[in-house]
Amino acid sequence: DVQLVESGGDSKQPGGSLRLSCRASGFKFDDYMLHWVRQAPGKGLEWVAGINAKSDFIVYRDSVEGRFTISRDNAESSIFLQMDSLRPDDTGLYYCAKALGAGFVGGTYTFQAWGQGTLVTVSS
Amino acid sequence: DIQVTQSPSSLSAVVGDRVTITCRTSQSVTLYVSWYQQKPGKAPQLLIYSASRLQSGVPSRFSGSGSGTDFSLTITDLQAEDFATYYCQQTWNGPRTFGQGTKVE
Repeated sequence: DVQLVESGGDSKQPGGSLRLSCRASGFKFDDYMLHWVRQAPGKGLEWVAGINAKSDFIVYRDSVEGRFTISRDNAESSIFLQMDSLRPDDTGLYYCAKALGAGFVGGTYTFQAWGQGTLVTVSS
Repeated sequence: DIQVTQSPSSLSAVVGDRVTITCRTSQSVTLYVSWYQQKPGKAPQLLIYSASRLQSGVPSRFSGSGSGTDFSLTITDLQAEDFATYYCQQTWNGPRTFGQGTKVE
């Protein structure tokens, strides 16, 4: 079974930094694009960033570009999200998500499996 | 960015009902739409991809249709475990945006 386990969520003041981790198992990790998706309390889903298998294609939503950095370690079957210059609107549950796969229409951005999420709170 | 608008934002239904949720995108996304189900306190689960392809393990009472800018998710013979919030997502380009969700209660 595919498993994704996030960690690293915490409460921070605006301007602070945080590093999220996601450890994966149950699939061939270095074949898939992985993403971070967040959900503000009581709100909908928002894609944050994605990284392909070889780390040579990395994308961010505009509001986090330049502040967040996504990376991965295929040897450790893990991805990370370094979050700097945190803002209150970064508050939410951050999910790690595995792409369905490039062989499907929209498959690189369709989220086949999700972790349980890790909570980030940014407040003064 | 492509805007994604779901309707209704919530609906009331009973077990056995046929339920349809619609999703409209601000520009054509051909077949690049996925649908997810989210229950309270849980992560979303993939139901449908490529507008109409049923994800493995998802009951056949769930179906998706549409192309271009207009899409729908239909649940036939609604079951107790289907009461949840449903999200559509465009997977065409830009930030892959989600609809605001439809709560089935």
